[in-house]
Amino acid sequence: EAQVTQNPRYLITVTGKKLTVTCSQNMNHEYMSWYRQDPGLGLRQIYYSMNVEVTDKGDVPEGYKVSRKEKRNFPLILESPSPNQTSLYFCASSLKSGAVNTEAFFGQGTRLTVV
Amino acid sequence: AQSVTQLDSQVPVFEEAPVELRCNYSSSVSVYLFWYVQYPNQGLQLLLKYLSGSTLVKGINGFEAEFNKSQTSFHLRKPSVHISDTAEYFCAVRSGYSTLTFGKGTMLLVSP
Repeated sequence: EAQVTQNPRYLITVTGKKLTVTCSQNMNHEYMSWYRQDPGLGLRQIYYSMNVEVTDKGDVPEGYKVSRKEKRNFPLILESPSPNQTSLYFCASSLKSGAVNTEAFFGQGTRLTVV
Repeated sequence: AQSVTQLDSQVPVFEEAPVELRCNYSSSVSVYLFWYVQYPNQGLQLLLKYLSGSTLVKGINGFEAEFNKSQTSFHLRKPSVHISDTAEYFCAVRSGYSTLTFGKGTMLLVSP
């Protein structure tokens, strides 16, 4: 089954404790991205990757890091989480950014709480 | 730059009534338009998309949307809603080789 898998689904952590949220897709998609969803703000892009070893900042990259060493994986790293990073995070993948029939496939989400 | 405006943050409606969720976009070039649905505690699922061709696009679960270039709109409609349609709906736009930009979402609340 074609899917985007995020782990964990739920995470509560303390300020300053490094964490990683994993994302994996099995569709051989080139393009992957991370979004955060906050009430009243919709989805805002954090980082995206056009292909292996190619990443770029989205609209709200501060406090986050990503890496793309393999095509299927795109982990999101919070080196020193703060309470304002409490949010619902989604990973998404698509065939490639410029393809006209590209639709984004989303993971189930990771609800992160930083206390 | 591209942007999406969903004018209504919540739309309450009774079961079996028609509904329209509004979406307006801005972009200086040709656009591709999408509607996604998010059921409680789930990820986003594609409802429908406009890439080119017919301006009336049909999607899953009986939804349809009409692309209106002159009004820069892509409103989502359903003639008769069900309780199970209760969810948050997101309009999104992509132009050229840019990334996907989402609106802030509209919560559709269907009551009996």
